[in-house]
Amino acid sequence: EAEVAQSPRYKITEKSQAVAFWCDPISGHATLYWYRQILGQGPELLVQFQDESVVDDSQLPKDRFSAERLKGVDSTLKIQPAELGDSAMYLCASSSRTSEETQYFGPGTRLLVL
Amino acid sequence: AQSVSQHNHHVILSEAASLELGCNYSYGGTVNLFWYVQYPGQHLQLLLKYFSGDPLVKGIKGFEAEFIKSKFSFNLRKPSVQWSDTAEYFCAVINNNAGNMLTFGGGTRLMVKP
Repeated sequence: EAEVAQSPRYKITEKSQAVAFWCDPISGHATLYWYRQILGQGPELLVQFQDESVVDDSQLPKDRFSAERLKGVDSTLKIQPAELGDSAMYLCASSSRTSEETQYFGPGTRLLVL
Repeated sequence: AQSVSQHNHHVILSEAASLELGCNYSYGGTVNLFWYVQYPGQHLQLLLKYFSGDPLVKGIKGFEAEFIKSKFSFNLRKPSVQWSDTAEYFCAVINNNAGNMLTFGGGTRLMVKP
């Protein structure tokens, strides 16, 4: 069964450093999402792509976060500089054109900022 | 803004007990409703979803949920839980008038005692 791939699975960094997360959606899925899940809370959408275009990035802290999906396939989420409050699980999800409402999630990248 | 409430943050049950997890949402328009489950160490998986039609939806592993429009609720049920149901459960809603933005509740952590 096809799955959403994410790497790394875990990342420890010091504050003020740059970090990057990678996501490879299920093959053929046009829509890609990045979520942040703080411990004890539900995931919150950061950014949504349709192919290579950003559909919604209203919740993305653009002073330090950036996301790209240059070829409309895999995607990178970057934080620069990282802050202590960025410690969380970063989840990637994807959905197909024919069933956009149903999102499939990857295993996530757990970030710890020291 | 749309919100999703899960009133039970932690639930502890013995095996064979019946389960009901509450979920209420704030938006009054047309919605799509989901329950996701996250088993320990695993990624979010879709348990069941409701788009339209029969308000009683059956999902995987014996779970079901009932959409009650007048109560803005989508409670998850299982008549007899197993130890393997120990997981965190998330209710999520898409407001059909606001794209495919998935809004999650805070989650309910279920522990089933053997």
